[in-house]
Amino acid sequence: DAKTTQPTSMDCAEGRAANLPCNHSTISGNEYVYWYRQIHSQGPQYIIHGLKNNETNEMASLIITEDRKSSTLILPHATLRDTAVYYCIVRVASGGSNYKLTFGKGTLLTVNP
Amino acid sequence: EAQVTQNPRYLITVTGKKLTVTCSQNMNHEYMSWYRQDPGLGLRQIYYSMNVEVTDKGDVPEGYKVSRKEKRNFPLILESPSPNQTSLYFCASSAWGIQETQYFGPGTRLLVL
Repeated sequence: DAKTTQPTSMDCAEGRAANLPCNHSTISGNEYVYWYRQIHSQGPQYIIHGLKNNETNEMASLIITEDRKSSTLILPHATLRDTAVYYCIVRVASGGSNYKLTFGKGTLLTVNP
Repeated sequence: EAQVTQNPRYLITVTGKKLTVTCSQNMNHEYMSWYRQDPGLGLRQIYYSMNVEVTDKGDVPEGYKVSRKEKRNFPLILESPSPNQTSLYFCASSAWGIQETQYFGPGTRLLVL
C-alpha cells in the first residue's frame, strides 16, 4: 500500500465546504484512493473512492490531481454530524480476495457551529 | 434500509463464560468480516468469510470462532473469553469483487472481567 500523509486535525464551520487533503506521492498506477470516516466509537463508514478521475456521490466529492500524487475529499456543506476522523487509504483493488481494512492516523475534522 | 446490525451493542461478562456476538446484513453481500479495534492498535481483522460455509482466519483469530451457515449472518463466538478480549468489535460486509468498500455495523463494546 502506498504511504499517505494527512493533517492531524482540521476545523470547519457548519455549512461551509470541508476540504480534506491527502498526499500519496508514491502511488502506483493500479492503486485506488479510498476514503473512510469514523465518528467516535461508531463503525467506520465508506465514503468514496477513485482511480484518476474526479468522483462525486451523495456524500462527497473526490478530486485527484493529474499526477495522482495527492487528492482532496470535499464535503460540500459540512454539518455537525460530519465531525469524525477521516482516513485516506491508497491500495490496489481487492480483485475478489480478502481485504483487511487498516487505517492510519487520519484527520480529525471538527465542524463548529 | 441497507444495514449491518450487531447484537448486543454492549456486553459485560466474566472470564470463561461463552458468548456470541451476532452480525446480520440485509444487502445480500457475499463477503463478511470481523474486526476488533483497540486504542493505539487500530483495526485488526479477526476472521472473514468469502461466502456461505467459507471462512478463514484474519490477523488475530486466537480465542475466536465464526460460522457462516447463512449468507446474511456471521456470528462471532468467544468460547472462553479472557480480559485481553476486552475491545470494540465491528462486523463488516461487502459485495463480492468490491471488498474494498465495506459496510460496517455499529459496533459491540465488550468488557471481560
